[in-house]
Amino acid sequence: AQKITQTQPGMFVQEKEAVTLDCTYDTSDPSYGLFWYKQPSSGEMIFLIYQGSYDQQNATEGRYSLNFQKARKSANLVISASQLGDSAMYFCAMRGLVTGGGNKLTFGTGTQLKVEL
Amino acid sequence: NAGVTQTPKFQVLKTGQSMTLQCAQDMNHNSMYWYRQDPGMGLRLIYYSASEGTTDKGEVPNGYNVSRLNKREFSLRLESAAPSQTSVYFCASGLAGRGEQYFGPGTRLTVT
Repeated sequence: AQKITQTQPGMFVQEKEAVTLDCTYDTSDPSYGLFWYKQPSSGEMIFLIYQGSYDQQNATEGRYSLNFQKARKSANLVISASQLGDSAMYFCAMRGLVTGGGNKLTFGTGTQLKVEL
Repeated sequence: NAGVTQTPKFQVLKTGQSMTLQCAQDMNHNSMYWYRQDPGMGLRLIYYSASEGTTDKGEVPNGYNVSRLNKREFSLRLESAAPSQTSVYFCASGLAGRGEQYFGPGTRLTVT
């Protein structure tokens, strides 16, 4: 079974500062993928960034980067130069294969980020 | 290109009533999914359809049924709603490979 743990229910960061959101995972699959999604107060789920278990380099997408430490089973999201619009709930998720193809995502419980002036 | 659309956006049901949540995607994805989101929890998979013509249970399937009508559409039915089904429901679609999923805007369902 796969499990995602996000231990920070809430985080505060000053505008323009960097912030790290923690995510640890547990799986017995040799191949897996890790994702981060953003959920603003409007409710939609927005895909941010992906890291494959065999990727040699940490993923980056603009101001988002994923600090992937495979031996520690962690996949932390780093947001650089925080903006007010980054205030949202952030979910870490892991991909697992399902019967007949397709990909099941297992989600953590999320971290509520608040960016302050 | 609308992505993933869901109807309705909001719904209030009485205990025992039935309803169907509709979902459609225009991204030509093979796989579609239904999740529910409850306060303090992440999203949990209800049912999925890995490809047209197939459906299977996820983590929390009890009280729900699904239909994959065609490649674009995947509906979720509550036959006899219960207060425990009060939740926000998300439909998603995705490709094989990396596996990222793209979500609809959600349906906020209240069962009284």
